[in-house]
Amino acid sequence: QVQLVQSGAEVKKPGASVKVSCKTSGYTFTVYYIHWVRQAPGQGLEWLGWFNPNTGSTNSAPKFQGRVTMTRATSISTAYMEFTRLRSDDTAVYYCARSMSYFGGFDYWGQGTLVTVYS
Amino acid sequence: QSVLTQPPSASGTPGQRVTISCSGSYSNIGSNTVNWYQQLPGTAPKLLIYSSDQRPSGVPDRFSGSQSGSSASLAISGLQSEDEADYYCASWDDSLNGPVFGTGTKVTVL
Repeated sequence: QVQLVQSGAEVKKPGASVKVSCKTSGYTFTVYYIHWVRQAPGQGLEWLGWFNPNTGSTNSAPKFQGRVTMTRATSISTAYMEFTRLRSDDTAVYYCARSMSYFGGFDYWGQGTLVTVYS
Repeated sequence: QSVLTQPPSASGTPGQRVTISCSGSYSNIGSNTVNWYQQLPGTAPKLLIYSSDQRPSGVPDRFSGSQSGSSASLAISGLQSEDEADYYCASWDDSLNGPVFGTGTKVTVL
């Protein structure tokens, strides 16, 4: 069965970086796009960017360009999202999700990774 | 930042029909299809409707979607207690070159 399993919760100080992993299984890793979405406490969903595991191409939302880097380790079917220069308002649950095409619906999601930023 | 507008809340008694609207613009819903997600408390979102009116395998046919112009809607017929959740619409935005989400609607079963 398809699974996306994310790394555990993180606590970071302002200005630090965090790297979240998304280990996939149950399908061919390079066939589906990986998207990253976050949700601040009590708030809605916010898209960070998409990543093509086959080509390595990426696109991030203008708001996050320069702070978000998406990569992969194809041999272990794992995607990564690194977020730099963290601020307190970056505190959120970060999700990975897959889609068949870059514009398609997200049919499977990771369980989410809580990133807390505070001094 | 949410670009698609949804009502903050909707409610109904068991068995009733509830409809949630999603309003966008030409660069998103006006040019692309809409997906809907259901998020139960404390869990990751789940794809409910894709390509505006298609249900993934396993989603009850009580859920239906439609789209017209720059707006879309999700209908839940025969409302059940387990439908109590947050619902989000989403659509690709040609200006952003990425998806945009709705503001979210909390559905309460009275």
